[in-house]
Amino acid sequence: EDQVTQSPEALRLQEGESSSLNCSYTVSGLRGLFWYRQDPGKGPEFLFTLYSAGEEKEKERLKATLTKKESFLHITAPKPEDSATYLCAVRISGGYQKVTFGIGTKLQVIP
Amino acid sequence: GAVVSQHPSWVICKSGTSVKIECRSLDFQATTMFWYRQFPKQSLMLMATSNEGSKATYEQGVEKDKFLINHASLTLSTLTVTSAHPEDSSFYICSAHGGGADTQYFGPGTRLTVL
Repeated sequence: EDQVTQSPEALRLQEGESSSLNCSYTVSGLRGLFWYRQDPGKGPEFLFTLYSAGEEKEKERLKATLTKKESFLHITAPKPEDSATYLCAVRISGGYQKVTFGIGTKLQVIP
Repeated sequence: GAVVSQHPSWVICKSGTSVKIECRSLDFQATTMFWYRQFPKQSLMLMATSNEGSKATYEQGVEKDKFLINHASLTLSTLTVTSAHPEDSSFYICSAHGGGADTQYFGPGTRLTVL
């Protein structure tokens, strides 16, 4: 069965304290791994798509990397406005555009 | 670009009534739209996938007669929760895929509360 596991479930950082969020997956035929940011009471906001092991994407303080078993979302020198829940989702072969989401990591950045 | 809207943003209704939620892709044509529900502290659970002009494909355990989906055009999909009950109270989110981008773009969500 396809599974997506995110860790930790919650993370509290001081402003400027860099860290990484993990998304591990067990799927047959990965056709894309997606990172989203979700603020309370809102829909997810697209961040990155990764397709193959070794691929990296960057946007401001965020950097996403991918291996054959997991993806990391690295947050460098976070600011309070980076506080949100970060969701990972995978798309598998034969699933057309359907994706499976992890439960997310709730990040809180304290000033 | 890639803006998806939902209406209403929140709705409160009495048990037994039906509620319609609209999802629109504002600046691109969506070949596929998805409907999710999200309970507190849980992730998004896919309810159904819809393609313009064809019947929706529902996920296992989702009652198609209770959650009616219509995808009448490339920019509009609607979800109707029929005979709503308190257990249907949830956050409903739609997404749209299309416009040349290889990802889903999400709407802001609709908070449904059934009394």
